[in-house]
Amino acid sequence: KAGVTQTPRYLIKTRGQQVTLSCSPISGHRSVSWYQQTPGQGLQFLFEYFSETQRNKGNFPGRFSGRQFSNSRSEMNVSTLELGDSALYLCASSLGGLTTGELFFGEGSRLTVL
Amino acid sequence: GQQLNQSPQSMFIQEGEDVSMNCTSSSIFNTWLWYKQDPGEGPVLLIALYKAGELTSNGRLTAQFGITRKDSFLNISASIPSDVGIYFCAGPQSNTDKLIFGTGTRLQVFP
Repeated sequence: KAGVTQTPRYLIKTRGQQVTLSCSPISGHRSVSWYQQTPGQGLQFLFEYFSETQRNKGNFPGRFSGRQFSNSRSEMNVSTLELGDSALYLCASSLGGLTTGELFFGEGSRLTVL
Repeated sequence: GQQLNQSPQSMFIQEGEDVSMNCTSSSIFNTWLWYKQDPGEGPVLLIALYKAGELTSNGRLTAQFGITRKDSFLNISASIPSDVGIYFCAGPQSNTDKLIFGTGTRLQVFP
């Protein structure tokens, strides 16, 4: 079956702009979670959506937001971009949610902020 | 909050050698997971452990859930070039549903 699809794979933005990233989970998976990966901080949890509701949230400022649609596809948005937002943003889908830990990751969207 | 510390931070080994890495926490975890991230890819689940003392294998990989529930170990036997990547431990944070990832162990295998 098709894996987790993230778009776009690469993008370049300038400070102050905003960006929207998209994630299509594995068919049948209702949990979608997002992570920020940087060399210095590793993999940091952003938030998790389950059946269109945000179920968990990490320790990121309000500039980072997300949503999930009825078909389980999810988007995350970062407003007023800062240089430090440059990172690989990973989306993961799961059948049962985060407690099982069995996540299926996409290839990520690499964001560069200039 | 809970943190997962992995060691070593990086390893440079020769093809054929065995590899050991570990993950420790200051608090108890009820589930331990090991993921591998290939360059340019997202992490892939290797092994999941759900019971203290559990020893689970997946091909050349063997992982153990520490008896204290505060650590886990991953061993790779007879390493090959495609073992190159970053290995992460992870576990669900207690009292929440957040998944915490370790700091990662970067493995480089030389022919």
